[in-house]
Amino acid sequence: AQSVSQHNHHVILSEAASLELGCNYSYGGTVNLFWYVQYPGQHLQLLLKYFSGDPLVKGIKGFEAEFIKSKFSFNLRKPSVQWSDTAEYFCAVNADNYGQNFVFGPGTRLSVLP
Amino acid sequence: NAGVTQTPKFRILKIGQSMTLQCAQDMNHNYMYWYRQDPGMGLKLIYYSVGAGITDKGEVPNGYNVSRSTTEDFPLRLELAAPSQTSVYFCATGTGNTEAFFGQGTRLTVV
Repeated sequence: AQSVSQHNHHVILSEAASLELGCNYSYGGTVNLFWYVQYPGQHLQLLLKYFSGDPLVKGIKGFEAEFIKSKFSFNLRKPSVQWSDTAEYFCAVNADNYGQNFVFGPGTRLSVLP
Repeated sequence: NAGVTQTPKFRILKIGQSMTLQCAQDMNHNYMYWYRQDPGMGLKLIYYSVGAGITDKGEVPNGYNVSRSTTEDFPLRLELAAPSQTSVYFCATGTGNTEAFFGQGTRLTVV
């Protein structure tokens, strides 16, 4: 079965620090990859997605992610975080051979200190 | 467009009671999903549907039932509520080739 792991449970940064959140998945076939953000008390919103093409994907709010197929990874980055980036971040995968269901990682809570 | 609408937003149930969580979409998406979110556990798939009349179990289906009589609606039924079903429930839709679009969630407490 597919699984998604996220390296950090809770990350604490100061404003202007750089961010990298790790994501690894277990599926060996063709996958679609996503990062979602959940602000406190809200639903999940899409940050960025990868289907094919350039493995460096740019999303909203200055986030980007790099797909490295050989490492089964899809790490999320932002060069300079803001207090408003405080949220929970979820990596997700779906694939044709999994009924197009989305498998989510456990999430990484990001706290940005002002 | 409303997108994905879930009702109610909050609910407290007593052990053994039943209820239906409603999910409606106006995006004409074939795929619909029900997830539950528990702290530190991410989202777990309960049931999903690939179109009207077709449903299938996800990772954690026990204690739940679904139906999909129309493209728009995908209700989730809880029979005999248990404290372990205390969670936040999210409905989502998609086309199978796009991202999932989420509703605002239903926070359910079983006491």
